[in-house]
Amino acid sequence: EAGVVQSPRYKIIEKKQPVAFWCNPISGHNTLYWYLQNLGQGPELLIRYENEEAVDDSQLPKDRFSAERLKGVDSTLKIQPAELGDSAVYLCASSLGLRLNEQFFGPGTRLTVL
Amino acid sequence: AQTVTQSQPEMSVQEAETVTLSCTYDTSESNYYLFWYKQPPSRQMILVIRQEAYKQQNATENRFSVNFQKAAKSFSLKISDSQLGDTAMYFCAFMKLRGGSQGNLIFGKGTKLSVKP
Repeated sequence: EAGVVQSPRYKIIEKKQPVAFWCNPISGHNTLYWYLQNLGQGPELLIRYENEEAVDDSQLPKDRFSAERLKGVDSTLKIQPAELGDSAVYLCASSLGLRLNEQFFGPGTRLTVL
Repeated sequence: AQTVTQSQPEMSVQEAETVTLSCTYDTSESNYYLFWYKQPPSRQMILVIRQEAYKQQNATENRFSVNFQKAAKSFSLKISDSQLGDTAMYFCAFMKLRGGSQGNLIFGKGTKLSVKP
């Protein structure tokens, strides 16, 4: 069974440029999560999808961040414009549902903003 | 709001020895789940073990076991017979089961474990 796929693995951009991250969850997983992981910290939830609906986006900085999950499968997280403080690892995870259903994480995208 | 605290930023252990990683949390919830995740240098987060708060029996998974003290809000991870492949960041995480953020994981800052040959 293929795991959670993320691309790109690494991205370096200049500040004020836009950037997008892509996530393909495990087949059949209806719940998808985007996390932000700063250096030396634990992941923090940005947004959670149930199928194509964003059911928790309370931690997503909506002035510059946006996300979508068309058809309830793949998801894209976008930052426009990027700031220096956005340098971090962006993790995607998926699960069959909430609660005890294990969250499976992708390898992450390491973003560096210069 | 829930918080998770891991007070040991770094630890090291000799191969084949036993090590215990500490985690405390704060919540007003009576039922919840607790997890330990492992993040090796390659960055892919892997579930190590989970505990349901209503269960008094401590969870075990092969060489990994927890000491869950609900009253003290403590959830430590014991790794027995440490192996070189156990070298990783270990994150303690909390999940509430009610309310708007149910199902979301709240992570601690992690403990970097190094297993030395």
